[in-house]
Amino acid sequence: DTEVTQTPKHLVMGMTNKKSLKCEQHMGHRAMYWYKQKAKKPPELMFVYSYEKLSINESVPSRFSPECPNSSLLNLHLHALQPEDSALYLCASSLLAGTSTDTQYFGPGTRLTVL
Amino acid sequence: EDQVTQSPEALRLQEGESSSLNCSYTVSGLRGLFWYRQDPGKGPEFLFTLYSAGEEKEKERLKATLTKKESFLHITAPKPEDSATYLCAVQAGGSGTYKYIFGTGTRLKVLA
Repeated sequence: DTEVTQTPKHLVMGMTNKKSLKCEQHMGHRAMYWYKQKAKKPPELMFVYSYEKLSINESVPSRFSPECPNSSLLNLHLHALQPEDSALYLCASSLLAGTSTDTQYFGPGTRLTVL
Repeated sequence: EDQVTQSPEALRLQEGESSSLNCSYTVSGLRGLFWYRQDPGKGPEFLFTLYSAGEEKEKERLKATLTKKESFLHITAPKPEDSATYLCAVQAGGSGTYKYIFGTGTRLKVLA
């Protein structure tokens, strides 16, 4: 089973709201990722967690705050977002962590709209 | 600068008309090349991983190949359900570094 789940599927929020995106995998994977994807563009890497520790932050604004409470769960906390942050947010996981070469498996994404 | 380029940007095929999609890369220290299929509004679905030049992988109507400069995704006798955006991604970098770079994708439309 290579399933990564994400909730919610859709989210609409105002610029002053605080919301969170959730991602889960139960495959025993040691690395988890957040990506942002705008329409007709490829996914852009935001954060990488290895063994529940943040290992890569691709210069993402502080209004995006990731959290990895345990090895199966990854959250993305959102605060004071801008309309240009509207996008499909994808979570992925891979068995191997760190800089090992390994396949990433993606969730279905959360469609975020910021008003 | 590390770069991954896919061509064509869009492709329309008749059902049964075979073709190939290209993924060219310029990276230092290739560690793996990955092919994904993505349907509108959904997450990428993993298809293949290729690690070294000369390697080939097959799955149903799809076959992926890898050379030192590019990868091809061959689609044999496509069906309308093969319509999707096909993304390649490259993992690169030496020890202690991490790069995972997606190409811009090829939007494939297969007509019945």
